[in-house]
Amino acid sequence: GEDVEQSLFLSVREGDSSVINCTYTDSSSTYLYWYKQEPGAGLQLLTYIFSNMDMKQDQRLTVLLNKKDKHLSLRIADTQTGDSAIYFCAEYNNFNKFYFGSGTKLNVKP
Amino acid sequence: GAVVSQHPSWVICKSGTSVKIECRSLDFQATTMFWYRQFPKQSLMLMATSNEGSKATYEQGVEKDKFLINHASLTLSTLTVTSAHPEDSSFYICSARGEGGNEQFFGPGTRLTVL
Repeated sequence: GEDVEQSLFLSVREGDSSVINCTYTDSSSTYLYWYKQEPGAGLQLLTYIFSNMDMKQDQRLTVLLNKKDKHLSLRIADTQTGDSAIYFCAEYNNFNKFYFGSGTKLNVKP
Repeated sequence: GAVVSQHPSWVICKSGTSVKIECRSLDFQATTMFWYRQFPKQSLMLMATSNEGSKATYEQGVEKDKFLINHASLTLSTLTVTSAHPEDSSFYICSARGEGGNEQFFGPGTRLTVL
């Protein structure tokens, strides 16, 4: 399958901004997604961006897409302790397949 | 967003037995359902894609005879782990997508423990 890579850990203080990065290799990506997974739970869709967009903002979340470099980022403003979770990026391609990154564990310190 | 449920949420079984996991879309018709497997502290691995009324498409390395998938209706898909062994212990997550949709809605997952 295609490669989707993320850094494994990120630690921030409550109130700071968090930026989670993701790189992918698939040139035929149509949509790119960010999911949140809390311990023992399934995945919750946070936001997604169409591949011809370069930015999408949704309340505290900002997604930036650099299609040339195949780089996706998720910025969480005013990070709260409740944001502590694992965040997965995923790309969806023309072959109707989703490929997930390894997940970034976000730890928010009070 | 749309709701997807899974049943059971946790199952423990003896080695050699078969286990069926259900995935239901509660408020929309899911033309496509996906089954994933997640090992501890790892990402999701796509096992198979199933379209309603068709045979499932399995990813490379996934045994079709071991992981039986049925998608007989627009709201229900089942995954049966046949002759389960301890190495099949994992977190199994399904997701569903409606016709023409680009969002994938995930179930809460089923934790399978094979003794």
